[in-house]
Order: sequence, then C-alpha cells, then structure tokens
Amino acid sequence: GESVGLHLPTLSVQEGDNSIINCAYSNSASDYFIWYKQESGKGPQFIIDIRSNMDKRQGQRVTVLLNKTVKHLSLQIAATQPGDSAVYFCAESGNTGGFKTIFGAGTRLFVKA
Amino acid sequence: ETGVTQTPRHLVMGMTNKKSLKCEQHLGHNAMYWYKQSAKKPLELMFVYNFKEQTENNSVPSRFSPECPNSSHLFLHLHTLQPEDSALYLCASARSSSYNEQFFGPGTRLTVL
Repeated sequence: GESVGLHLPTLSVQEGDNSIINCAYSNSASDYFIWYKQESGKGPQFIIDIRSNMDKRQGQRVTVLLNKTVKHLSLQIAATQPGDSAVYFCAESGNTGGFKTIFGAGTRLFVKA
Repeated sequence: ETGVTQTPRHLVMGMTNKKSLKCEQHLGHNAMYWYKQSAKKPLELMFVYNFKEQTENNSVPSRFSPECPNSSHLFLHLHTLQPEDSALYLCASARSSSYNEQFFGPGTRLTVL
C-alpha cells in the first residue's frame, strides 16, 4: 500500500552545519512531494515542494532532492540555525482520487549551539 | 499567523460529553481539512471539504461529525469519545483540494478522560 516514511526519528546537528533529512516513499504514482516544518505548539508549515518531473529544487537555505529510481526524498538545510529546530514531515500527493496528501512520521531536528 | 485559527486550543472532556472544535480561515480558500495527530504517528487525514462539499471521509468513526457551513468555517462535533481519541486535531485550508500547499492552524489539544 501507500506509505511515506522517514529513516530517522531524530537528528542532532551543530549550529552552522548543514542538515539532511531523508524520506522514503512507496507510491511511484505520486507526482508531488512536500516538506513541512512543525514547531512546538504550532501546526505544520509548508517549506518547499517538488514535482515528480524534477530532481532538485532550491529555496532559501533549503534544497529538496528527489530520486525517483529509489523513491527517496531529502531535505537539505544549509547553515542550520537554532530556529530550525522542529519536526520535519515529508508528504506525497497526487491524483490518487481526491488529491489526498499522505504524511510521513516526522523527524525531529535538534540544533546544538 | 497562518491565517487559520482554531478554538479552543485545549479541551478536556469526559466520554459522555458533547463538544465542538472550531476552525476559521481568513485566506479566501475553498478547501478545508481535519487531521488527527497522535504521538509517534503520522498525520491522519480525517475529512476534506471542497467548496463546502465533503469530498473525503477517511473511515472516521461516527462519533466525529464534521460541519462546513461556508468556505471559511469548519467544525468538528465530538460525542461519546474514547480515551484513544486524545490527540492534537489540526485544521488546514487550501485554495482548493487540487492545490497541494495546505495552511495549518495551531491545533486543538484534546484529552478524553
């Protein structure tokens, strides 16, 4: 069945280093992938997305990489800051009948000062 | 902040109580969603409304009853809940259900005793 999962439940990085958060998905028919950030006490917030016809997309300090061959998605955060500490979710979406978005379990990112 | 507000932020109720969660969006969106977020589990989609019409019921028990009187407001009526229903209930909106970027509210932390 469809599933979106994250490789690691927690990730700890030093302030200023780059962070890489990984995600695996199983539905090869998904055509849209999204990363959300959820800070404590808040709802998830959209970070960046990528369509299945792309393999890389860059935003401000963030880059999403998509490898359709191995069904792998990653989020790279450059020069990680304390404000980046949060839970990060990957999600997939597509024309599965109603454009349902399926979320992964989440990775908690800790940034050490 | 995100343009999506939820009330109350915290709710404690007994199994025989009836309560309602409220969501309001100020973004002019036409799609609204209810999600359940439990500890250590991915976000679970519950209901989707598009232009006030329910388009998705993700096998949610009938003790949860959604209501969407207009595109800006969404309610979740609760009755005879179980302790395992304790969770963070998140509301989200989007331009329409065919748009993948969703804007989330802060959630209602529900505890069922």
